[in-house]
Amino acid sequence: GENVEQHPSTLSVQEGDSAVIKCTYSDSASNYFPWYKQELGKRPQLIIDIRSNVGEKKDQRIAVTLNKTAKHFSLHITETQPEDSAVYFCAAETGANNLFFGTGTRLTVIP
Amino acid sequence: EPEVTQTPSHQVTQMGQEVILRCVPISNHLYFYWYRQILGQKVEFLVSFYNNEISEKSEIFDDQFSVERPDGSNFTLKIRSTKLEDSAMYFCASSELTVGAFFGQGTRLTVV
Repeated sequence: GENVEQHPSTLSVQEGDSAVIKCTYSDSASNYFPWYKQELGKRPQLIIDIRSNVGEKKDQRIAVTLNKTAKHFSLHITETQPEDSAVYFCAAETGANNLFFGTGTRLTVIP
Repeated sequence: EPEVTQTPSHQVTQMGQEVILRCVPISNHLYFYWYRQILGQKVEFLVSFYNNEISEKSEIFDDQFSVERPDGSNFTLKIRSTKLEDSAMYFCASSELTVGAFFGQGTRLTVV
């Protein structure tokens, strides 16, 4: 089955700086890669996603890049704000209707 | 904005008892899922459901688990004989297509 690894497990940045979270996956059949933000005690919220036919996607301060050859994808948050503090999960889907999640990154933005 | 809703928000049950977790997916969505998250760990896939049948399930989803869509709006997860290790947050999710799942707020299941 698919195995998704995520790094780092914790990340602290100063407000206004950029944050980068990286994930790798093992199954070359994976073709959809969403990112979820989970605030303490709340539901995972889809913040951005990318399909395997695209190398990069941007939505305001958030961008995701995908390297299919290397089987890795990354989340980039620019101009971080305190409200960006949360746990971020990457995931991969093989098209079999199930998401395999990474272990999460706890992002802390220091005001 | 439409949301996936789950009830109850917290369920405490004795080991060996049956529990039913309920979900109302977003109304025009066709694909439904259950995930679980043990405290402090990653979200794990349990099962996906489409066209009134299971389309995929993980090894976690063994014979003690079952899902049902009893009517046009509800989607339920039944755990037949709960074990201590079933304690977790259970998330229902739904999607219009095979991608882009939206999660409910979760049901925290505590087995004592």
